[in-house]
Amino acid sequence: DVKVTQSSRYLVKRTGEKVFLECVQDMDHENMFWYRQDPGLGLRLIYFSYDVKMKEKGDIPEGYSVSREKKERFSLILESASTNQTSMYLCASKSGQGLFDTEAFFGQGTRLTVV
Amino acid sequence: AQTVTQSQPEMSVQEAETVTLSCTYDTSENNYYLFWYKQPPSRQMILVIRQEAYKQQNATENRFSVNFQKAAKSFSLKISDSQLGDTAMYFCAFGSIQGAQKLVFGQGTRLTINP
Repeated sequence: DVKVTQSSRYLVKRTGEKVFLECVQDMDHENMFWYRQDPGLGLRLIYFSYDVKMKEKGDIPEGYSVSREKKERFSLILESASTNQTSMYLCASKSGQGLFDTEAFFGQGTRLTVV
Repeated sequence: AQTVTQSQPEMSVQEAETVTLSCTYDTSENNYYLFWYKQPPSRQMILVIRQEAYKQQNATENRFSVNFQKAAKSFSLKISDSQLGDTAMYFCAFGSIQGAQKLVFGQGTRLTINP
């Protein structure tokens, strides 16, 4: 079974702190994604990566950066956390093999509260 | 850019009834995937069903089926004989297969199955 693991299920940070959210997948997937989930807004794509060291901005990249130094690990970085970044963060991965896509597999989510 | 719209924030039906969740999307691509994901209170996202855009036949998975109208860019999910365990958030998603394989979600529909 594919496993996507996020480093924390709940996290509380202070305004201005640098925050790292880690995501690890064990299926050698090329593509990895970071989303934030807010009520009424669904899942909004922050950043995604289609290969090691490759990244693309999603729909709401402001205030975030990412790092993918190894294929299995995709990190989301909040350079200076703010209260409007309080949210649920979901990591996902999927294979990029072949012409057609496959399903994405999700981590259990990290509920981040910035105080 | 691709967009996905779910116009029903909440729905509620009685157990054993049939319910249909709506989804529309916008894209200029010709080949792509569409997905319905379920997120129960445990927060773990689970794939319910997927549809390849090049296939005219609607996908079916047990009690779950879709009505895919490519020209209208519509992708609804029908749940037959609904069960209490179907209570969850349901997200419609668009999967690109061109270039960087972006995966975009809608706002979600909260479905409640009442006993």
